[in-house]
Amino acid sequence: GQQVMQIPQYQHVQEGEDFTTYCNSSTTLSNIQWYKQRPGGHPVFLIQLVKSGEVKKQKRLTFQFGEAKKNSSLHITATQTTDVGTYFCAGPNLSGSARQLTFGSGTQLTVLP
Amino acid sequence: EAGVAQSPRYKIIEKRQSVAFWCNPISGHATLYWYQQILGQGPKLLIQFQNNGVVDDSQLPKDRFSAERLKGVDSTLKIQPAKLEDSAVYLCASSPWRRSNTGELFFGEGSRLTVL
Repeated sequence: GQQVMQIPQYQHVQEGEDFTTYCNSSTTLSNIQWYKQRPGGHPVFLIQLVKSGEVKKQKRLTFQFGEAKKNSSLHITATQTTDVGTYFCAGPNLSGSARQLTFGSGTQLTVLP
Repeated sequence: EAGVAQSPRYKIIEKRQSVAFWCNPISGHATLYWYQQILGQGPKLLIQFQNNGVVDDSQLPKDRFSAERLKGVDSTLKIQPAKLEDSAVYLCASSPWRRSNTGELFFGEGSRLTVL
């Protein structure tokens, strides 16, 4: 079945440093989504990328979808303590009539003040 | 707009006991998912409903897990008998049905299960 892998598993940064997490799929994706889960919280949708090579920005967050639509990245510029949490990528798993998301293992970000 | 409601938030049981979790999705959302999230891992899909029908339950351990979505709104997930490895957060998510792709999932706060 489809596998979605993320690296690194953990990342500790000083406040103000940049952060990047990478997502790789074993299959070509029609789209990719990113979610953020704060400690003790639930996953919250951040963004969806659909086009090959697409780049989207949300303030200090930059999301990229690879040209082959098999990888993606999330880059945070000048991290803040509010960025703490686990970032998941998720790709659709199209199985018959089912449309589901397969989540990666996540990257847990710690921001040291 | 009200979000996805789940209860209970926390549950502690002993192994071999049973437990049930309840979910009320966002009004009008046709698709409902139950995910299991073990500490340190990403959410893993257990079952997907479209209205009141099961679309995919291939990853549901059917010898001990069951789920239903009567009338296509609320859903319950039951574990009987529970095992130690069932300790996890059970997340319910909903989305409006889209023919072309999955679209955004809206998650509830989750139900944290501890099996002793």
